[in-house]
Amino acid sequence: DTGVSQDPRHKITKRGQNVTFRCDPISEHNRLYWYRQTLGQGPEFLTYFQNEAQLEKSRLLSDRFSAERPKGSFSTLEIQRTEQGDSAMYLCASSLYTGGIRELFFGEGSRLTVL
Amino acid sequence: SQQGEEDPQALSIQEGENATMNCSYKTSINNLQWYRQNSGRGLVHLILIRSNEREKHSGRLRVTLDTSKKSSSLLITASRAADTASYFCATDTGGGNKLTFGTGTQLKVEL
Repeated sequence: DTGVSQDPRHKITKRGQNVTFRCDPISEHNRLYWYRQTLGQGPEFLTYFQNEAQLEKSRLLSDRFSAERPKGSFSTLEIQRTEQGDSAMYLCASSLYTGGIRELFFGEGSRLTVL
Repeated sequence: SQQGEEDPQALSIQEGENATMNCSYKTSINNLQWYRQNSGRGLVHLILIRSNEREKHSGRLRVTLDTSKKSSSLLITASRAADTASYFCATDTGGGNKLTFGTGTQLKVEL
């Protein structure tokens, strides 16, 4: 399978714990995006990378959130000191950027439940 | 923040009927895309229309774009039960850096 993969698919944690999500993009894609989606809403942009450089972060991404993409391959999204409001689906997407955004290829998402 | 607003929020039709969803957005765009999401799954790209295009077809899908009204519509013809999903429009609002998604239309196609 050469699609975007995310791990874990589901995570239940207690408030105050740290969680980390991993995303493996399509190998030839240079851009990687993180979105957050709550029930009944559309995905909201969090951050994106071009290769290993994090080029933009949303104001939604508080200091408790950090994302990395070492070596421009897989990416991790860490949430520290989780709060109940962090409960959401975290979606990763990748694309091949050659000037002008084209279609994004999404993974199946990582669903976070904070108790 | 959500750039687009889809209308209606929910739509229920019978198999074989056509389904039309509308999207309105706020700022000028380079392109507009439509995605589908089955419950609890990731999004799947359906179609992209550029700002200088007015209409585009792909199989049973027809997308129109009216930049003067800042709106787009997605028509699914001869709908099937398998078309049951949420549909989102997404805009590239400049810079070509990210897509901003709308709030979505939940489509239910009944047998």
